[in-house]
This record gives sequence, C-alpha cells and structure tokens, in this order.
Amino acid sequence: DAMVIQNPRYQVTQFGKPVTLSCSQTLNHNVMYWYQQKSSQAPKLLFHYYDKDFNNEADTPDNFQSRRPNTSFCFLDIRSPGLGDAAMYLCATSRGSARGFYNEQFFGPGTRLTVL
Amino acid sequence: EDKVVQSPLSLVVHEGDTVTLNCSYEVTNFRSLLWYKQEKKAPTFLFMLTSSGIEKKSGRLSSILDKKELFSILNITATQTGDSAVYLCAFKMYSGGGADGLTFGKGTHLIIQP
Repeated sequence: DAMVIQNPRYQVTQFGKPVTLSCSQTLNHNVMYWYQQKSSQAPKLLFHYYDKDFNNEADTPDNFQSRRPNTSFCFLDIRSPGLGDAAMYLCATSRGSARGFYNEQFFGPGTRLTVL
Repeated sequence: EDKVVQSPLSLVVHEGDTVTLNCSYEVTNFRSLLWYKQEKKAPTFLFMLTSSGIEKKSGRLSSILDKKELFSILNITATQTGDSAVYLCAFKMYSGGGADGLTFGKGTHLIIQP
C-alpha cells in the first residue's frame, strides 16, 4: 500500500544533543511537509519541500533544519533540542502543481520526541 | 491576521446522537478548507471543500462550506464510539507557490459515550 512512513515512532534525546527524524513515502508525491504538534495543540507547519525547493515558515526556529536527498525521503534535523521542542513531529505529503494546489495532504504516523 | 475558530472545543454525546461541528474563519487568499480526524496518531483526511454550498458526504459524515458567511460545518449522524477523536479544520491559502502548508484550527474534541 502506498503510504507515508516515519521512523522512529518514538525518540528520546538529551537536552542539546542533535537528533534526526526520518520520513519516507511511496506515494511519489512531489511535496513533503514537516509539522510540529505539541500536546493538545493543532499541528503547526515548520517547512516544506516542493520538489527540491525548500520553503521555511517565517517563525520556524533556526534550530530546525531539513534535508530532502530524493523524492522519497525527507529528514528533520534538530540541532540542539530544548525541553520546549518535545512534541509529535508529523510528516505529510501531497501532490503539488504549479497552477495552484488543491490536493489533500497525507500524514505519516508521527514521531513523538521526548527531550530529557 | 488569519483566524480559524472551531466550536465547540469539546463535546460529549451519547452513541446514536447527531453532532454538528463548526469552523469559522477569517483567512486571506483562501484556497480550500479541509477536515481531518485525529485519534491518538496522525490526522486522517476526511473532506476538502473549495466551493460554497456543495455538500460532501462519506457514510455518516458530511460537510459543507459557506464562503459568504465564512464557515464550514461537519455533521456526523448516528454517532459511534469509534467517532471519538479530535476533529481538525484546516485551511490552505494560495501564495502562488503551488504547494502551501495547512493552517489548522485548535480542533473539537468529540467524545461518544456508549
């Protein structure tokens, strides 16, 4: 089945220790997104890739970076995690088009990050 | 500033009841409105609405958008305990880039009691 896969599902890291979260997709979608969802809050967009073009949201901290080595994979790097970065991180994909964008986003199961 | 308000924030009903969830908005460059269901995992897609007055239906769920009054409703009839979840309303705004992220409301936490 075509799907969005996130690894690991649960990640524990120490304060200040870099961590990388992984997302892969078999949907062949050209757009991939990273959202941060803190407890009892709505998901908040961090950034997205349209093909190889990186689009950062204005209020995404510099501590968060992303890489997309190919169509299928996208990584979220947190350079120096703080306690406030503990959250669920959701990867999503969609099929984008230059005309405008009407297609829904498909979410992965998320990675729950704990910062000790 | 874009604003998305979902109401109620939480709702407890009995199995078999019908519920109506609301999403009102003030959004610039509106493109489409999406409804997602979130249990203890990632959001799952329910509906996408772009045109006013056209009802979308899937089983016991239906949704409609009113672009004049700037709101959408999500109806669930004959509710079941499996409908218990947070229902998220999200917006896609068009910025010309061809691929825009979603802006979510805070959600309605729906609990269906047996």
